[in-house]
Order: sequence, then structure tokens, then C-alpha cells
Amino acid sequence: GAGVSQTPSNKVTEKGKYVELRCDPISGHTALYWYRQSLGQGPEFLIYFQGTGAADDSGLPNDRFFAVRPEGSVSTLKIQRTERGDSAVYLCASSLTRANTGELFFGEGSRLTVL
Amino acid sequence: SQQGEEDPQALSIQEGENATMNCSYKTSINNLQWYRQNSGRGLVHLILIRSNEREKHSGRLRVTLDTSKKSSSLLITASRAADTASYFCATDAWGNKLVFGAGTILRVKS
Repeated sequence: GAGVSQTPSNKVTEKGKYVELRCDPISGHTALYWYRQSLGQGPEFLIYFQGTGAADDSGLPNDRFFAVRPEGSVSTLKIQRTERGDSAVYLCASSLTRANTGELFFGEGSRLTVL
Repeated sequence: SQQGEEDPQALSIQEGENATMNCSYKTSINNLQWYRQNSGRGLVHLILIRSNEREKHSGRLRVTLDTSKKSSSLLITASRAADTASYFCATDAWGNKLVFGAGTILRVKS
């Protein structure tokens, strides 16, 4: 597609459940980022992939959060044993190279609500 | 943690007026970027200014960067109702990621 695609756009789950959020970046973009945005706040960095490897996962809040990008394209953010505090919009972005050379292209986000 | 802090938190102006938003940051940077976010949507890149640049223009947008004060400003001239959105600055501190501020909510009244 022309832009970054994220699915699902909305996800409602119960506390303790497992959730997967998918990101399909712009074709040819080697860098992929996950951010989390709470209401009224700016995006908070979670993890950065360069190709297939997680080059920086310093933003993942705890070991319930995990992300993969097995073929260097589509990425999946996985959240185990969800908690109400995980409720937020999860944003994916891609760029042609690394952020320090240019702009990020964001998807529309996946809104996660944990009841 | 968020490095950039935008000021003001919210701004309401009349159509046709200019809007100025400021951003302060804490560490040395490679570049600083501004993004816009319409309600419920993803972020859209507006402009990037590198650490060796002092001013940059793009259409109705003007960005300045003062590395000695660790601050940047975004000026939107002749604002339109369609400019209503949240605006975020983001800094690339020679690392692997952009660090975003909390944003300025701009409302342009027609």
C-alpha cells in the first residue's frame, strides 16, 4: 500500500488477555518503530527495528511487551497478560533509513482498550 | 521519557492570524522535527531542521532553531480552520529514535 497500515484499528480486550497488533510499513522502508500514545500525551518510544533485528528496545515497559519483524517488513507487537494501564493508541512508523536522516511515516494507530 | 516540551499547551486563534508554538529540549541533537496530528489520526511530518541550520521555511510554515538555548519555534502564518490539530516537536539526539514532546493543541476559529 501507499502508507503504513496498522490492524486492528480498534481492539477491546479483558484484563489478562493476550493481544497482537500488526504493522505493515511502506514498501522498502528498512526502519520500523513502535510508539505508544496516551490521551493528551505525545508518542512514547517503545522499540525500533532496522531490518529484522530490534536495534533498540529500551522503551518497552516490561517483559509483557514483545515485538517481532521476522522478514524485515511486517511487524507484530505482542502484549501478554494485558493490564488496564496498557490502554492507549499504539502507533507504528517507518522510514527509509534511520530517524536521524529523515522523517517518520506514521500509521493511523491501533487503539487498545483493556477492560 | 519525553525530551521536548511544547509551549503553550493549548492555543486558540482566529482564522488569518499567525500561530507560534515553542519547543524546548534538554540534550544535544542531530535534528529536530515538527509533526501534526489531527484528532484520532496518525502523525504527519511537517518539517525537519538540522542542528547546523537556524531557520527553515515550507509554505506557510517557518521553523527556527536555537541550539544555544535548546529551543525551537514553529510559526504558522495566515492560519486556516484546517490547521486545527495537535503539533509535536520531536528530537533526534544522535540515537535510534525520535523523542516527542507532549504537544500543543491549536484551535483555529473561523
